[in-house]
Amino acid sequence: AQSVAQPEDQVNVAEGNPLTVKCTYSVSGNPYLFWYVQYPNRGLQFLLKYITGDNLVKGSYGFEAEFNKSQTSFHLKKPSALVSDSALYFCAVRDEGTGFQKLVFGTGTRLLVSP
Amino acid sequence: KAGVTQTPRYLIKTRGQQVTLSCSPISGHRSVSWYQQTPGQGLQFLFEYFSETQRNKGNFPGRFSGRQFSNSRSEMNVSTLELGDSALYLCASSLEGQWLDEQYFGPGTRLTVT
Repeated sequence: AQSVAQPEDQVNVAEGNPLTVKCTYSVSGNPYLFWYVQYPNRGLQFLLKYITGDNLVKGSYGFEAEFNKSQTSFHLKKPSALVSDSALYFCAVRDEGTGFQKLVFGTGTRLLVSP
Repeated sequence: KAGVTQTPRYLIKTRGQQVTLSCSPISGHRSVSWYQQTPGQGLQFLFEYFSETQRNKGNFPGRFSGRQFSNSRSEMNVSTLELGDSALYLCASSLEGQWLDEQYFGPGTRLTVT
């Protein structure tokens, strides 16, 4: 079964600094990887996905993610953090399974951007 | 264009009862997926419906079921509620589904089982 791991429960960064939220994956075959964000008291929002192609994927709100096959990582990055980026971030992978596909989420990383 | 709507937003039920949650997708979207979010288990995929057929499913017991209507609206049903079913239930819609295109999420229904 496919899985993703988010090793950090929380990431703290100062506004204006670059941010990285880490995700590693374990898949057989080609990975379909995703990042989602959940703002307080709001539903999830899709940020970006990697299916194939360029290893650097650009997404919403200035976020990007780098797919690294040798390190089995898919870290989320942003060059300059904003206080409004403070939220809960989920990495996910599509699991092909047997017969059915499903989306498997990581445990989430809380990002806190201080002014 | 109106977003994904979920009703009701909040629900309190008693253990052993059943509950039905509703999700109206964005107009034109044919795929609706359901997710459960709890503090203990995190975010988990329940199932996906496309053109009135369940196309994909997660690892949930048969007490969790769903359906999709011809207008793409979807309902999720949980029978014989357990305390552990207390959660935020999210639905998401997309044009083609299977996570190949962008999903749009509703605000969720918060279910409390007492």
